[in-house]
Amino acid sequence: QKEVEQDPGPLSVPEGAIVSLNCTYSNSAFQYFMWYRQYSRKGPELLMYTYSSGNKEDGRFTAQVDKSSKYISLFIRDSQPSDSATYLCAIWGSGTYKYIFGTGTRLKVLA
Amino acid sequence: NAGVTQTPKFQVLKTGQSMTLQCAQDMNHEYMSWYRQDPGMGLRLIHYSVGAGITDQGEVPNGYNVSRSTTEDFPLRLLSAAPSQTSVYFCASSYSEGSNYGYTFGSGTRLTVV
Repeated sequence: QKEVEQDPGPLSVPEGAIVSLNCTYSNSAFQYFMWYRQYSRKGPELLMYTYSSGNKEDGRFTAQVDKSSKYISLFIRDSQPSDSATYLCAIWGSGTYKYIFGTGTRLKVLA
Repeated sequence: NAGVTQTPKFQVLKTGQSMTLQCAQDMNHEYMSWYRQDPGMGLRLIHYSVGAGITDQGEVPNGYNVSRSTTEDFPLRLLSAAPSQTSVYFCASSYSEGSNYGYTFGSGTRLTVV
């Protein structure tokens, strides 16, 4: 079993839709839960991170962590064509120095 | 601040050649790492470093060497290039302090081995 599982998509939605992106993980030792956005032919950029459990909101983006079910989510409200990118989840535990990425979900928001 | 700078951006190598991918950061981050990204396989960790003089292997270290003589620089060496090493390589640096966290990627090096 991979330590982080992520549906590769692609996911196509109309402009204005609510997008839900999800990952599951297997090791409960991780403390940081991140979402990265990667545009074509660019490096990943950190979008949001959550330390431990709970929700975090930043504009149209909400990151959610449920440590009991080992499930992390990213919600995008009022999606825009500029949100079209690959979204990667990642988990990290500073004590282990292990940083694990999901394979990424390709999102396309149609105008 | 420049962030994380990777050079070169593109490189074509012949099988058996060696080369060094350069990575430099100006954020005084202790943690640096190298990834390769291949279609359908996501980002895979090659090597990482938790500070100057300290390196360790990641998920796919074979065929690559690293060193960390300074906080700023973390070069990746391909010892004898193989077509299987054709990939996009990303360097990254990060810090964590309690609940504060930051992670920055370079723009990548596209390597083709023929």
